[in-house]
Amino acid sequence: GPKVLQIPSHQIIDMGQMVTLNCDPVSNHLYFYWYKQILGQQMEFLVNFYNGKVMEKSKLFKDQFSVERPDGSYFTLKIQPTALEDSAVYFCASSAKETLYFGSGTRLTVL
Amino acid sequence: QQQVRQSPQSLTVWEGETAILNCSYEDSTFDYFPWYHQFPGESPALLIAIRPVSNKKEDGRFTIFFNKREKKFSLHIADSQPGDSATYFCAANSGGSNAKLTFGKGTKLSVKS
Repeated sequence: GPKVLQIPSHQIIDMGQMVTLNCDPVSNHLYFYWYKQILGQQMEFLVNFYNGKVMEKSKLFKDQFSVERPDGSYFTLKIQPTALEDSAVYFCASSAKETLYFGSGTRLTVL
Repeated sequence: QQQVRQSPQSLTVWEGETAILNCSYEDSTFDYFPWYHQFPGESPALLIAIRPVSNKKEDGRFTIFFNKREKKFSLHIADSQPGDSATYFCAANSGGSNAKLTFGKGTKLSVKS
């Protein structure tokens, strides 16, 4: 199926540092999402885009989070400064319609 | 407010049995109900989905039963296999340009042989 590329796969950082997660969605998909998953449990919605514009941010999308699309292709999720509770797997996903295709996730560990 | 409720949290069945996973929702504007499965260390992937115009959707051993009046839907996995062991998430969205999927908390299914 369609491939969503997500890097890095793992990131270990000290609390207070900045981290940037990267995601390259399927090229013709207009919808894009970031989700957070802790310990293989619920997929929690963070933010979504339609045609490159932010549609909705959830309550989990703290002020320390920011999202960008630096060159019109890939997306970034930046956390600055990081906190211990930010440790999780962050998944990006894209879709043409309802079916979301997820990247392989970035496992973020904040020490 | 949790918009999509899922139960049970974990489920163990024997190989060959039917596993039944349940979900309910509150938002009447939801009109698309998928089930995703996630194997350990992997990302979620779409398994099967249904729209309210139907009350049943089958794909091989996997069937969704949908009850619009009660706002409930369930996934039945017939002839369960050890390879079905995974976490299953139900989800819902209301379509439109904000096609945000709201997920349930997941059911961890173990199929024993």
